[in-house]
Amino acid sequence: QTVVTQEPSLTVSPGGTVTLTCASSTGAVTSGYYPNWFQQKPGQAPRALIYSTSNRHSWTPARFSGSLLGGKAALTLSGVQPEDEAEYYCLLYYGGAQVFGGGTRLTVL
Amino acid sequence: QITLKESGPTLVKPTQTLTLTCTFSGFSLSTTGVGVGWIRQPPGKALEWLALIYWNDDKRYSPSLKSRLTITKDTSKNQVVLTMTNMDPVDTATYYCAHGWSGSHNFDYWGQGTLVTVSS
Repeated sequence: QTVVTQEPSLTVSPGGTVTLTCASSTGAVTSGYYPNWFQQKPGQAPRALIYSTSNRHSWTPARFSGSLLGGKAALTLSGVQPEDEAEYYCLLYYGGAQVFGGGTRLTVL
Repeated sequence: QITLKESGPTLVKPTQTLTLTCTFSGFSLSTTGVGVGWIRQPPGKALEWLALIYWNDDKRYSPSLKSRLTITKDTSKNQVVLTMTNMDPVDTATYYCAHGWSGSHNFDYWGQGTLVTVSS
């Protein structure tokens, strides 16, 4: 069974920069896995942030950026705002089915 | 403006079959490239991808749940239906449907979700 792994939790100071990563048990993540990133706040549905590795949706703030880093998909938040405190999930494509990561709880402190 | 809304029972008994309906507006499931997927989230846990149906009736399922899931679409009603057989308390979760694209394999618009509890 394919497993997608994210950091369980990260902490960042307001105005700082933080990178979340997303690894696949099958090996290095490439653009062919079409990495997606979602933000979820308590009691809300997930909100799409990034698709196909690095593309922002029209509503995604520019401080969110996606990339591939060291064989993983990565989401970098630059100039973190207090409202960025949330759970972040990646989603990878496996030639048919897709698999979510376990999520990263980002604390802004 | 794309919107999606999930509907179905809030409580099902163990071994019963769950039927959920996703009713959407602002797009057509007959448009090339469009898909609608189902995702669930047990209380306090991570998201889990379940199934996806595309405009051309191509269907994809989670390998671990494939034997229990069926996804269908009614283009004329703008609806997608997910059935899950043999429900168990571990299937208690909020179930979401979402609009997606086959070319980029992403979900951009999500419904609000519906909580389904499995209990006798």
